[in-house]
Amino acid sequence: GAVVSQHPSWVICKSGTSVKIECRSLDFQATTMFWYRQFPKQSLMLMATSNEGSKATYEQGVEKDKFLINHASLTLSTLTVTSAHPEDSSFYICSATGTDYPYEQYFGPGTRLTVT
Amino acid sequence: AQTVTQSQPEMSVQEAETVTLSCTYDTSESNYYLFWYKQPPSRQMILVIRQEAYKQQNATENRFSVNFQKAAKSFSLKISDSQLGDTAMYFCAFMKRPGANSKLTFGKGITLSVRP
Repeated sequence: GAVVSQHPSWVICKSGTSVKIECRSLDFQATTMFWYRQFPKQSLMLMATSNEGSKATYEQGVEKDKFLINHASLTLSTLTVTSAHPEDSSFYICSATGTDYPYEQYFGPGTRLTVT
Repeated sequence: AQTVTQSQPEMSVQEAETVTLSCTYDTSESNYYLFWYKQPPSRQMILVIRQEAYKQQNATENRFSVNFQKAAKSFSLKISDSQLGDTAMYFCAFMKRPGANSKLTFGKGITLSVRP
């Protein structure tokens, strides 16, 4: 149990376009989802916390107008990178928290974004 | 704010031997969780082990065990009988007051290579 999926797993887009990444909890309801960004050989950097039906809470330094997050249901959160530029190329990972103690975070497999 | 420090960027161990990965953290919280996550080349984050701060007993999961020294704020991971599949990046992480919105603070990670 506790599977989180991401789609797509890999996407290439042209500079100036937008791209949407989906994060789904497949077998449980997740009131909270987190979005992370990871550069090669580096740690995970939390971008935002997403709660179902609420506006996302962004970490300091993350542009909320560039990284739009929508948590439309208890099983789906989306991250849209708007007007993407090559510096947005990265590996994006989502995680979903179970509703019961110990509130373990279950991670998706990640999405590799390349902006050309 | 909490900080997690992993000072060793890389380690190497011979197959079947034991290796210990170091982690220190800083917090003023009294109730918190500590984690070790594994990220293999597939980049899927996998929970290795979890330690609740209020528990004095060190957590163990098969070949993985921790040495939790609360006063010293140290949380090391011991991998016994290392296997080739243990080759991965390992992240130490901290979570305060476990809850649905609780964030993980990650260390920089350590790349572990298991030699055949």
